[in-house]
Amino acid sequence: GQNIDQPTEMTATEGAIVQINCTYQTSGFNGLFWYQQHAGEAPTFLSYNVLDGLEEKGRFSSFLSRSKGYSYLLLKELQMKDSASYLCAPGSNYQLIWGAGTKLIIKP
Amino acid sequence: DTAVSQTPKYLVTQMGNDKSIKCEQNLGHDTMYWYKQDSKKFLKIMFSYNNKELIINETVPNRFSPKSPDKAHLNLHINSLELGDSAVYFCASSQDFLDGVETQYFGPGTRLLVL
Repeated sequence: GQNIDQPTEMTATEGAIVQINCTYQTSGFNGLFWYQQHAGEAPTFLSYNVLDGLEEKGRFSSFLSRSKGYSYLLLKELQMKDSASYLCAPGSNYQLIWGAGTKLIIKP
Repeated sequence: DTAVSQTPKYLVTQMGNDKSIKCEQNLGHDTMYWYKQDSKKFLKIMFSYNNKELIINETVPNRFSPKSPDKAHLNLHINSLELGDSAVYFCASSQDFLDGVETQYFGPGTRLLVL
């Protein structure tokens, strides 16, 4: 079967660093996406990993280990506007398989 | 300038009615999608079209019928609306659908409430 596992909710402090983990099991794999979704809004693209390792993009980095079925999203220098849900979505068989997302709450 | 647009943004209707949601993208993409996001926030793929041809049709009641008049438009018609259809419906598009590796761009969503 296909399964995505992410923590339901995390809390962090403004200015700090937070790591959101995602483990997945899919039949077939063609890369993994991370999306950000603010409450009441559409998901927006953050990052894509297809090879093992770390991809850095400004304050956000994403890591992938294909052999372990594991990815994480690292957010540095947290800002209040980073309060949102973060969705892990591996690609498999012509579609993205979406997790329920991790709701990240940033406190001052 | 909007890349993926949907209308209406809000839709409140009675059980048993028929309604349509429209989606348009001006990104020149070949593939378009319809997703349903329920109260638990899971995004579930409903349909996907590539160059006006249906390529993904998940287990969705046949009350839902997508129509793609051209590759820039993918509309969703829902017959005999039920309470359980209440959700946010997102349209998305991608350049292609190569094994699901293309970045998908989402419309703002249509919030459907069935009373």
